Amino acid sequence: QVQLQQSGPGLVKPSQTLSLTCAISGDSVSSNGATWSWVRQSPSRGLEWLGRTYYRSTWYNEYAVSVRSRININPDTSKNQFSLHLTSVTPEDTAVYFCARANTRAFDIWGQGTVVTVSS
Amino acid sequence: DIVMTQSPESLAVSLGERATINCKSSQSVLYSSNNKEYLAWYQLKPGQPPKLLIYWASTRESGVPDRFSGSGSGTDFTLTISSLQAEDVAVYFCQQYCTIPWTFGQGTKVEIK
Repeated sequence: QVQLQQSGPGLVKPSQTLSLTCAISGDSVSSNGATWSWVRQSPSRGLEWLGRTYYRSTWYNEYAVSVRSRININPDTSKNQFSLHLTSVTPEDTAVYFCARANTRAFDIWGQGTVVTVSS
Repeated sequence: DIVMTQSPESLAVSLGERATINCKSSQSVLYSSNNKEYLAWYQLKPGQPPKLLIYWASTRESGVPDRFSGSGSGTDFTLTISSLQAEDVAVYFCQQYCTIPWTFGQGTKVEIK
């Protein structure tokens, strides 16, 4: 049974970096059949895909244009997890953040979600 | 980017009645490698992550009740709940995963009338 467990702070100050981790059990971050994404949800933006990392003989990353200059998604094979780093946050980045696994069946496994508030 | 437009924004349906949600994509979501529509439907309840209901436009995810069905092709898709139950109160989203960036519809809130 595949599970994703998120961790990270729920409060980040403006201009600082939002960092979250998603630990994978029951699958591998290096899996050839899956990709690993971060998605956020807010009343103003709805559900927004932020980016993904995946392994196909080498590592690939793809990011949404809206956050491309501020985002990094890193796999950690030693801990079988992947992380989100979003720099220079503003109150507009306040949202519930989810990690999720995708394959040909779309996002089939999700983390539990982390409520992140950007406030001083 | 492919824009996903859902309608209606909300609907209220009596218990046991049919609920129908529409989703229109601004471009085809047909994945040419396997000729499948890369269109998914999710259910979102407060305090929970989204739950995958339907993928490939019409294939029900394992464990999803058969009152949920998906249909459509090209750029027009539909999610139908054949007999609404109290536990189906939620927001429903469509999503295309054919082309990066993956994009979602704005959501449809389903309530009991």
